Amino acid sequence: GESVGLHLPTLSVQEGDNSIINCAYSNSASDYFIWYKQESGKGPQFIIDIRSNMDKRQGQRVTVLLNKTVKHLSLQIAATQPGDSAVYFCAENPTGNQFYFGTGTSLTVIP
Amino acid sequence: DAGVIQSPRHEVTEMGQEVTLRCKPISGHNSLFWYRQTMMRGLELLIYFNNNVPIDDSGMPEDRFSAKMPNASFSTLKIQPSEPRDSAVYFCASSLGTSWETQYFGPGTRLLVL
Repeated sequence: GESVGLHLPTLSVQEGDNSIINCAYSNSASDYFIWYKQESGKGPQFIIDIRSNMDKRQGQRVTVLLNKTVKHLSLQIAATQPGDSAVYFCAENPTGNQFYFGTGTSLTVIP
Repeated sequence: DAGVIQSPRHEVTEMGQEVTLRCKPISGHNSLFWYRQTMMRGLELLIYFNNNVPIDDSGMPEDRFSAKMPNASFSTLKIQPSEPRDSAVYFCASSLGTSWETQYFGPGTRLLVL
């Protein structure tokens, strides 16, 4: 079966520092990827996406990097703020409308 | 808009009982998705509807699970009979078309089957 995993289940960073959250995906045919943020007690929230014809995409304070060679995805959050504390997980789209989601990395921002 | 509304927010039931989860999508959205989330397996897409029609139910675990969308503003996910391994948080999400960027999740229903 397909699998999407995260290298670090927990991450703690100082407020103001940059955060990097990693994700490994398994299906080389996946051509679309999404990062989600999930705060405690809430549903996931779309952060940013990237297609396989790109290796980098930037949003507001977030950047997603895609390395298709090693099937690796990362989310970079600049100047991390307390409101960024949440679980972050990635999702890969290997075909059609089927997505496979990682279990998540818990980010804690230390004031 | 109130966003995606799910009910109940919490459900505790005994094994063998029927469970019905409800969802009201955002007005104007024509796609609706049901997900299940557990610590072990993460988030899993169960089924999604477009214009009230089920498009892909390949994620539905087994025949005990069924989902309906009788109209554009209401959907149900039913588990009958429920089993302890069904314990999870069930999310409903809606979007305009199948745009993942505009998919909004509800607060989820936390289900515990004893």
